Amino acid sequence: DAGVTQSPTHLIKTRGQQVTLRCSPKSGHDTVSWYQQALGQGPQFIFQYYEEEERQRGNFPDRFSGHQFPNYSSELNVNALLLGDSALYLCASSLVRVGDEQYFGPGTRLTVT
Amino acid sequence: AQKITQTQPGMFVQEKEAVTLDCTYDTSDPSYGLFWYKQPSSGEMIFLIYQGSYDQQNATEGRYSLNFQKARKSANLVISASQLGDSAMYFCAMREGLAAGNKLTFGGGTRVLVKP
Repeated sequence: DAGVTQSPTHLIKTRGQQVTLRCSPKSGHDTVSWYQQALGQGPQFIFQYYEEEERQRGNFPDRFSGHQFPNYSSELNVNALLLGDSALYLCASSLVRVGDEQYFGPGTRLTVT
Repeated sequence: AQKITQTQPGMFVQEKEAVTLDCTYDTSDPSYGLFWYKQPSSGEMIFLIYQGSYDQQNATEGRYSLNFQKARKSANLVISASQLGDSAMYFCAMREGLAAGNKLTFGGGTRVLVKP
């Protein structure tokens, strides 16, 4: 049973560019959440997708957008990259209903130069 | 106000000893869940233990136990018989509401280093 997978593992981008990160949820899960973890801090919730729609959103600018596909996989897009966007981006999947925890993927480490 | 507070930035613990990691939380929602995750240097968040706000008993999972004091709004993690592999960052997190998909709010973490 495959867990949550994310790609790529590492990414280096230049300020002002755009980036797309990908996540495949654990088998059977229908909800995908994205978190940003800056160095030395706890993860911060970006947004969550369920049934291909954004269900919840944290305090992140519109430069951060996402998408969920019919197979429940998800993308996180960040436009006009800033140096401060450098972080570990974690994807977590779960079932939307009561009873299960969120399972995290290994993360994508984004460096903006 | 911070929803999750972890006051210990870092701790040393001797191998085979127990260690307690502090976590206090703040919420007005009567239904919530508290989680502890371990994050080794590889970056993946590993789920350790869960405590629901209505659970009567303190949660235990192997060497991990959660000391849940609802009135004090604290949810401390106890790791018994520490092993070298326990060296990692530990995060306390809260989910407000019972739906599994609700967002998690994390604390700032505690770095644990186990000494041989």
